[in-house]
Amino acid sequence: EDQVTQSPEALRLQEGESSSLNCSYTVSGLRGLFWYRQDPGKGPEFLFTLYSAGEEKEKERLKATLTKKESFLHITAPKPEDSATYLCAVASGTYKYIFGTGTRLKVLA
Amino acid sequence: GAGVSQSPSNKVTEKGKDVELRCDPISGHTALYWYRQSLGQGLEFLIYFQGNSAPDKSGLPSDRFSAERTGGSVSTLTIQRTQQEDSAVYLCASSLEVGRPLHFGNGTRLTVT
Repeated sequence: EDQVTQSPEALRLQEGESSSLNCSYTVSGLRGLFWYRQDPGKGPEFLFTLYSAGEEKEKERLKATLTKKESFLHITAPKPEDSATYLCAVASGTYKYIFGTGTRLKVLA
Repeated sequence: GAGVSQSPSNKVTEKGKDVELRCDPISGHTALYWYRQSLGQGLEFLIYFQGNSAPDKSGLPSDRFSAERTGGSVSTLTIQRTQQEDSAVYLCASSLEVGRPLHFGNGTRLTVT
């Protein structure tokens, strides 16, 4: 069964304290892995797509990496405005997108 | 269009009433998805459209839920005889094609009293 597991469920960081969020997946026929950011009261905002193991994408303080079993979202020197829920999703060999339950990130000033 | 647009943004209804939720996807996006997000829960898949066709309706929670898409564009999710357990945020997303990134609207927050 296709599955996505994110850890930790919640993370509190001091401003400037770098860390990583994990997304482990099992899927038949990976078509793509996606990271999203969701702010309260908003829909998920697309951040990155990763298609193959070894691929990396960067945007400002965020860097996403992909292996055959998991993806990491590295946050370097986070700021309070990075506080949000980060969602991971995989597109399987069919039309389905499987979402994890997210990591709630809180960055303290 | 700029992005996926959903309306209304908030809807409060009485138990037993019918509601219609609307989604305007990004122009040219052939794939359209509806999800439900309950407080503290993950995204629950409801239905997928490719063009105007819905190959899989198995995610709809009950026969009170229905959805349609017309002109390969606008989609409407209808909930009949609403129940309190229907209270949630209903998210719509579209994609250029299956396997490409989904782009979400800001959702409709439905409250059934």
